[in-house]
Amino acid sequence: AQSVTQPDIHITVSEGASLELRCNYSYGATPYLFWYVQSPGQGLQLLLKYFSGDTLVQGIKGFEAEFKRSQSSFNLRKPSVHWSDAAEYFCAVGERGDKIIFGKGTRLHILP
Amino acid sequence: NAGVTQTPKFQVLKTGQSMTLQCAQDMNHNSMYWYRQDPGMGLRLIYYSASEGTTDKGEVPNGYNVSRLNKREFSLRLESAAPSQTSVYFCASRPGHPFGFAGSPLHFGNGTRLTVT
Repeated sequence: AQSVTQPDIHITVSEGASLELRCNYSYGATPYLFWYVQSPGQGLQLLLKYFSGDTLVQGIKGFEAEFKRSQSSFNLRKPSVHWSDAAEYFCAVGERGDKIIFGKGTRLHILP
Repeated sequence: NAGVTQTPKFQVLKTGQSMTLQCAQDMNHNSMYWYRQDPGMGLRLIYYSASEGTTDKGEVPNGYNVSRLNKREFSLRLESAAPSQTSVYFCASRPGHPFGFAGSPLHFGNGTRLTVT
């Protein structure tokens, strides 16, 4: 069965600093991978997705993620964070049977 | 542009009461999902429906039932509510197989905040 691990519950970075949020998955075949963001009191917004092809994918708001099959990882990165990036970030994995599982999330705090 | 509509937005139940959370999508999506969100637990899949007429258990199905009434609607029923079911419930949909791209993302409703006392 597929599973998703986000090892960091909270991360704090200074505004303007770079960011990397970790995501590891467990799934036998090539997965479909997603990153979502949830701002306080809001719904979930898709940042980016990977399903095949180029292992570095670009998303909205300046985010990117890299799929590394050998490490079963799909880490989210941003070169320079903004105060508005403070939110909770969720990694998700989908399988061909349509089941989509989420990680527990990483809450990002931004220092001014 | 309604997308995914959930009703109600808020609900308070007493232990042992029953209720149905409604979800409808107007995007002609094949697949629909119910998740619950609890602090520190992320989103956990309760049930999903890959196509009209089929439903499958997710990670935390106990205490819940679902009905895929038609292609548009997917309801979640709590037969005998318990305090452990206090949560925010999200419905989602996506094109899914076979009509859409298998890696298509989820479209979420705005959630239902349920409190069981």
